[in-house]
Amino acid sequence: SQQGEEDPQALSIQEGENATMNCSYKTSINNLQWYRQNSGRGLVHLILIRSNEREKHSGRLRVTLDTSKKSSSLLITASRAADTASYFCATGPHASGGSYIPTFGRGTSLIVHP
Amino acid sequence: GAVVSQHPSRVICKSGTSVKIECRSLDFQATTMFWYRQFPKQSLMLMATSNEGSKATYEQGVEKDKFLINHASLTLSTLTVTSAHPEDSSFYICSARAGQRNTEAFFGQGTRLTVV
Repeated sequence: SQQGEEDPQALSIQEGENATMNCSYKTSINNLQWYRQNSGRGLVHLILIRSNEREKHSGRLRVTLDTSKKSSSLLITASRAADTASYFCATGPHASGGSYIPTFGRGTSLIVHP
Repeated sequence: GAVVSQHPSRVICKSGTSVKIECRSLDFQATTMFWYRQFPKQSLMLMATSNEGSKATYEQGVEKDKFLINHASLTLSTLTVTSAHPEDSSFYICSARAGQRNTEAFFGQGTRLTVV
């Protein structure tokens, strides 16, 4: 079942601008992950943030997590045309025993114009 | 990160035939693999979870007799779409997780299935 929901569904910006995408989820989580998908391709894991973390950085990516609001944001700074892709957040509901099954929202389609 | 290879990347088949999609973990042992289906501009919908050596667990609404999943080894899972129908045309993606408590999954490149 889907848990994470990203917004906006579509985002169009100019190269060099920052892009911010949000993700909301419904149940408690152990961690939240962001993935990137180029058109018609598989997913690339970008970053994982654990429930006891509030912010995490990786290169031009900055992820925040607010467990009280059940939301996360992904910020891409100084965007490039190559950042054009769909971005998904995935949360992991845990079955008994702590198994992780990534479930996804609809994604945010980001277009960066050169 | 770890590498998951999915094959084929594209396949076109005739209605009524069966198609097999392979998902391999190349540099780690995947105790669990997931199969997803994605329609254009939609999210990835989990179809089933397979654990090595046991039967797959299917999500509600997914026909297990139509989408046969086999996870016979720690590095290979297969999804067979049986008696394919044009409505089965979709993008199928597999994912592999190294251990039960591991919280990172790695994804294959996906397979674009077109049934004509």
